[in-house]
Order: sequence, then structure tokens, then C-alpha cells
Amino acid sequence: EVQLVESGGGLVQPGGSLRLSCAATGFTFSGYWMHWVRQAPGKGPVWISRTNNDGSSTDYADSVKGRFTISRDNAKNTLYLQMNSLRAEDTAVYYCLPEPAVAATTWGQGTLVTVSS
Amino acid sequence: SSDLTQDPAVSVALGQTVRITCQGDSLRNYYADWHQQKPGQAPILVIYGKTNRPSGIPDRFSGSSSGNTASLTITGAQAEDEADYYCKSRDRSGNLVFGGGTKLTVL
Repeated sequence: EVQLVESGGGLVQPGGSLRLSCAATGFTFSGYWMHWVRQAPGKGPVWISRTNNDGSSTDYADSVKGRFTISRDNAKNTLYLQMNSLRAEDTAVYYCLPEPAVAATTWGQGTLVTVSS
Repeated sequence: SSDLTQDPAVSVALGQTVRITCQGDSLRNYYADWHQQKPGQAPILVIYGKTNRPSGIPDRFSGSSSGNTASLTITGAQAEDEADYYCKSRDRSGNLVFGGGTKLTVL
């Protein structure tokens, strides 16, 4: 069974840091590009970052560039997102997704990040 | 542009057919996936690679594409199909692009 399990979210003050993890099972993790997507309350999903199969190529949305770092450990089938200098507008549920989408037809439950003082 | 545009809301009578559309330049080169999200739940994939349905998705869901427009059609809409629907594609860099979502109401 394909599963994506995001973790590491929580309540953090503005300017703080968090490290999110995404544990993937049921598909060949190293064969897929992986993405982080976030969904703010009442809004649609927004792409924020991606990494290629081996982590040698990454990209970021302008809104998080310079503050967030994506990485992966193919030996552990795990994707990470290091988030620094967090802002109130980073408050959202964070999801990891493989591409092509067919690798995981159900999203994980996501991990909620709340940035507030 | 990498933006995908969807109508914010669409309604359909129970048992009738509804089409939800998604427009964007990236759709001229890349297929759209469609994701369904019900309140309080994570999204699920209902159409991928323009026309394919994952296992377990009813065959009343179908996808199509022409030019810069992708469409999700529900033939014989059911009450349980009431949800938000998001199209997703990619840009030249391999980054994902989402539409703003369409809220489907089944009357």
C-alpha cells in the first residue's frame, strides 16, 4: 500500500524554524521527483519546492526561496523540508507529493504548521 | 504563464453531467491531473495523465484536453461528488502548478 506520512509540524513563533519529514512507502521512492505543497486554511494547494530523483537539483517558489531547503534520503525513503525564518503567512498544512502523481493516488494527511506569537 | 485558471464554483443537478475546466499555457505541453478534496480531508487523485482513472475511482469521472484547456467531466453526478476539485500540471522546470479550485455543488 502506498503511503505518504508527513510529520514535524507544530506551533512556532515568527522567525523560528521547523524541519518537516515525509516518509514514503509502497512505491520506488528514488524513482520519482518529490514535491512539497502547502495549503493555507480555506485556500487551494500551492507548490513550494521540488527535488529531482537523487536530490542534485532543487527549486523553490519565490515565497520560500532563501528560507526553506528541500532534501531527501533515498536510503530511508524520506523527504525533508527545513524551514527557517518562518512567517505568519507560512501557516498551512504541508503535503509531500511524488511526480508523476500516479505513484501515490491518495495524499498523506499532511502536517500543520502554525506560525504565531 | 504557469498559472492555471478554474471557475470558482459550479453546480449540477443530481444525476446530470457537469464539466469542470482548467485553462493555462502549460496545458499545451503537459497533461493535467485532477484532485478531489472533501471538507476536512486530504485530496485524492481522480484523473491523471489527462484521461486515466486510478483504481477505485468511478468511471463517471473522465478527463480530456484540448489546446490550453483541460476538463474533468462527471457523467451522472452523485451527492458524494460534492467537493473541491483542483487541476494540477507542471511547468518547464518540472515544478507543479495548481489551479485555484472549483467548488462543485450537487443540487
